[in-house]
Amino acid sequence: DGGITQSPKYLFRKEGQNVTLSCEQNLNHDAMYWYRQDPGQGLRLIYYSQIVNDFQKGDIAEGYSVSREKKESFPLTVTSAQKNPTAFYLCASSILAGGGGVHEQFFGPGTRLTVL
Amino acid sequence: GIQVEQSPPDLILQEGANSTLRCNFSDSVNNLQWFHQNPWGQLINLFYIPSGTKQNGRLSATTVATERYSLLYISSSQTTDSGVYFCAVGRSGTASKLTFGTGTRLQVTL
Repeated sequence: DGGITQSPKYLFRKEGQNVTLSCEQNLNHDAMYWYRQDPGQGLRLIYYSQIVNDFQKGDIAEGYSVSREKKESFPLTVTSAQKNPTAFYLCASSILAGGGGVHEQFFGPGTRLTVL
Repeated sequence: GIQVEQSPPDLILQEGANSTLRCNFSDSVNNLQWFHQNPWGQLINLFYIPSGTKQNGRLSATTVATERYSLLYISSSQTTDSGVYFCAVGRSGTASKLTFGTGTRLQVTL
């Protein structure tokens, strides 16, 4: 079954703790992305990666970190420096076209993070 | 960066009615996608439509890139169409990053 998986589905964190959200894809996509969604809002880009061992900050990267050691995996760590981490986190992937072209993006089911 | 505006923000329909959702964007784009977010939060791809017209069952979409807008048509709405519809755009040279609108929340009643 091809697709994007995220785990856990729900995550509870105490203030001051770092947590890591998992994102895995078996679509052989080059690029992977992390978005954050707050209630009643659209999605905002946190980080993205076009290739293994390389990633770039999105619009709201402060308080987050990522790694891309394998093509299939793009974990997101929410650090204690993130002031308001309670949100819905969505991972996505896409093919990268040559010459900087754009392709359709597909999303995983998401992780709901709540800070207690 | 690109601004994306969706209208209306909220829409209530009776089952069987038709509707049109609009997405305006502030600059030229090479990618435009429509998504349906279901009650569990899953984003479901509806259309990849940087230009032109596409149809898929009761849904169709049209993007007029030169005038910077896209329309999503829902015909004969059903209760399962309820949820939030998002428009998202991207540009070449930006690694396929998407900028999202704030969505249209649709409720279809019996």
